[in-house]
Amino acid sequence: KQEVTQIPAALSVPEGENLVLNCSFTDSAIYNLQWFRQDPGKGLTSLLLIQSSQREQTSGRLNASLDKSSGRSTLYIAASQPGDSATYLCAVRRDYGQNFVFGPGTRLSVLP
Amino acid sequence: SQTIHQWPATLVQPVGSPLSLECTVEGTSNPNLYWYRQAAGRGLQLLFYSVGIGQISSEVPQNLSASRPQDRQFILSSKKLLLSDSGFYLCAWSVSVYYGYTFGSGTRLTVV
Repeated sequence: KQEVTQIPAALSVPEGENLVLNCSFTDSAIYNLQWFRQDPGKGLTSLLLIQSSQREQTSGRLNASLDKSSGRSTLYIAASQPGDSATYLCAVRRDYGQNFVFGPGTRLSVLP
Repeated sequence: SQTIHQWPATLVQPVGSPLSLECTVEGTSNPNLYWYRQAAGRGLQLLFYSVGIGQISSEVPQNLSASRPQDRQFILSSKKLLLSDSGFYLCAWSVSVYYGYTFGSGTRLTVV
């Protein structure tokens, strides 16, 4: 059974810092991995989707990497801003046709 | 472009009352549809998913049921709500397993 963990559970940083959020999964035979952002009381917004054949994906100040062999993905946020404050979740799809399994999320606070 | 609609945004219902939450997708055909619940302090729990009209798979046996009467319509129901049904309900769709999830804005359900 695929299990997904995210460390740290919460993170508080000053504005302008570069930061890394971690996602670990127990079964390395994944199909793809997706990072989401969730603002309080809102739905999930997709940030990046990485296929199992890819090593990384970039969108603006965000860069997500994938290392299947070690069961890890990282989300790098450059030059953080207060507007980046949210909960970040990763989700892993293990095999073709399987549903995503979600991590518990990392709650990020970027202080002005 | 594809959009997903979920309503109502907020709902307060007494214990024992029925429930009907609706989710519709526009701009695509034959999507995979999902219902998730996010309880306070807990992660996302997959409740139901559907790969086609009338095809419903249940992940967690409970007080809820789902139906897909039309290609792009997914309904979450209950005949009698319990206090434990309170939570944030999210609908999502995916065009295929190669692509990630797109979530609706969610329904905050409080059972009193």
